[in-house]
Amino acid sequence: QQQVKQSPQSLIVQKGGISIINCAYENTAFDYFPWYQQFPGKGPALLIAIRPDVSEKKEGRFTISFNKSAKQFSLHIMDSQPGDSATYFCAASMTGANNLFFGTGTRLTVIP
Amino acid sequence: KAGVTQTPRYLIKTRGQQVTLSCSPISGHRSVSWYQQTPGQGLQFLFEYFSETQRNKGNFPGRFSGRQFSNSRSEMNVSTLELGDSALYLCASSEGQTFSGNTIYFGEGSWLTVV
Repeated sequence: QQQVKQSPQSLIVQKGGISIINCAYENTAFDYFPWYQQFPGKGPALLIAIRPDVSEKKEGRFTISFNKSAKQFSLHIMDSQPGDSATYFCAASMTGANNLFFGTGTRLTVIP
Repeated sequence: KAGVTQTPRYLIKTRGQQVTLSCSPISGHRSVSWYQQTPGQGLQFLFEYFSETQRNKGNFPGRFSGRQFSNSRSEMNVSTLELGDSALYLCASSEGQTFSGNTIYFGEGSWLTVV
């Protein structure tokens, strides 16, 4: 059972455009929602994270929007660049357990 | 500070054999966890060790096991390998507290191919 559902599976965006990846969860015990970026041949690297007491968090070109009532959160990449081409994973964790539940990943391709 | 180091990076094993993968966490980190990544199942949690004790376990058969040493280094073992065990095995480390927001750092993984 996939505890975190992620869409779309793949995404193609023009350089300078906005990339949007969506995730949804069911378990209300989740209280930490990180996004990881993975390049081919590399391990996932933490990109940005949010807690449910905040509706939005921005770091540079990356923004997480969080809707607690809908149990949904999304990653927005502004001014997308070819170097952003990677696989993005949303994840969730809960207090008391030091492990992550991952979404299925979104392969982003930014076309020059 | 050095990152999470995993060895070997690539290996090929035959069905029925066993394999041991090694992980050195970031200096000062006491928690080591392992994940399996496959195209079909994505990233799935295997188990987590903290201060040499398994603290949490995912939904994998008993053929998958691990241990942690007093210096926080960890090994995972898969016995009686099956073709479906072919995957990227990722080790991750963190300081170890179980409050949410405890940043988890991943290594580059060990690619296991079972033939």
